[in-house]
Amino acid sequence: AQTVTQSQPEMSVQEAETVTLSCTYDTSESDYYLFWYKQPPSRQMILVIRQEAYKQQNATENRFSVNFQKAAKSFSLKISDSQLGDAAMYFCAYRTPFSQKVTFGTGTKLQVIP
Amino acid sequence: SAVISQKPSRDICQRGTSLTIQCQVDSQVTMMFWYRQQPGQSLTLIATANQGSEATYESGFVIDKFPISRPNLTFSTLTVSNMSPEDSSIYLCSALTGLGPKKGTEAFFGQGTRLTVV
Repeated sequence: AQTVTQSQPEMSVQEAETVTLSCTYDTSESDYYLFWYKQPPSRQMILVIRQEAYKQQNATENRFSVNFQKAAKSFSLKISDSQLGDAAMYFCAYRTPFSQKVTFGTGTKLQVIP
Repeated sequence: SAVISQKPSRDICQRGTSLTIQCQVDSQVTMMFWYRQQPGQSLTLIATANQGSEATYESGFVIDKFPISRPNLTFSTLTVSNMSPEDSSIYLCSALTGLGPKKGTEAFFGQGTRLTVV
């Protein structure tokens, strides 16, 4: 069974600094998708970034980038130039192309300090 | 992408009663999902809502407690039946965009329903 592990329950970062959130996963599949979702106090789950496993190039979306290490089954999220609005729960997630189900990690609560 | 409207956004209900949560997607989608999320915790999948057939429930969740309807490709409801305080949680609906082989990669979510049972 696929599992997603986020070992950092909470993280904090100074405004304008950079922070990295960790995620590891376990799967026997070779083709899959990985995601980072953000959930602010409003409860809305927002897709931050996605990565297709067959792509070697790390995905980037503005201030958000990932370090995808397929052999190590690691998928970390780097947030550069942190802003107060980045404060939220961040969930790492996994899905295969053939399964409709998304497996979520336990989440990391990010605090941004002014 | 998809816009998913979920309502109500919150409710306080008496134990023993039932609450129906509605989820409307702005485009046709094959797969819709219902999750439960305890405050500060991760998401637990309740069931997959299939259009034209019965929902598929995950272990620990049963149809009598969480009946689901999926009358068309843009709408679904989840009912929390005979509620107890243990049902107090956030309920989220989700969808994979697109139809059939053209379904999208990522899931989109509604705004969530915060349910408190007293």
